[in-house]
Amino acid sequence: EDQVTQSPEALRLQEGESSSLNCSYTVSGLRGLFWYRKDPGKGPEFLFTLYSAGEEKEKERLKATLTKKESFLHITAPKPEDSATYLCAVQARFGGSGNTGKLIFGQGTTLQVKP
Amino acid sequence: KAGVTQTPRYLIKTRGQQVTLSCSPISGHRSVSWYQQTPGQGLQFLFEYFSETQRNKGNFPGRFSGRQFSNSRSEMNVSTLELGDSALYLCATPPGNTGELFFGEGSRLTVL
Repeated sequence: EDQVTQSPEALRLQEGESSSLNCSYTVSGLRGLFWYRKDPGKGPEFLFTLYSAGEEKEKERLKATLTKKESFLHITAPKPEDSATYLCAVQARFGGSGNTGKLIFGQGTTLQVKP
Repeated sequence: KAGVTQTPRYLIKTRGQQVTLSCSPISGHRSVSWYQQTPGQGLQFLFEYFSETQRNKGNFPGRFSGRQFSNSRSEMNVSTLELGDSALYLCATPPGNTGELFFGEGSRLTVL
């Protein structure tokens, strides 16, 4: 069964204190792994897509990496505005095109950055 | 957000009633997926429609149904509402062929 587990559930950091969020996954044929940011009452905001082990993506203070079993979201020198829930999701291969709108999400890591 | 519009944003229903939620995807895109978000279960896949056909379905009871129209707009319906159906219902569409989904702001359903 396809499954995504994120840790920790919650993380409190001081502004400027770098850290990493973990996403462990099992999936029958990985099509892609996705990171989203979610603020309360809003829809998830897309951050990154990773397709194969060894791949890395960066955006401002965020950097996502991927191995065959897990992904990390590294946050460098976070600011209070980075406070949000970060969601990891996987997409399994589907049919000939490999594309499907079905993502398996983890429970998320709620990050709080204090000034 | 990338043009996914959901209505209504908020609604309150009572147990036993039914509800219909609407989603207009990114213009010109034929795929629409629906998700339910609750505090205990997180984000869970409900179903996906592509060119008016249900292409994929999650593990939800038959009370949850959906459809898609020829203009790609989609609706989901929940009949015989239960307290546990209180959730944020999200609609999503892929902006291209790279796999990621762009989500709407969601419809917050409260069942009393």
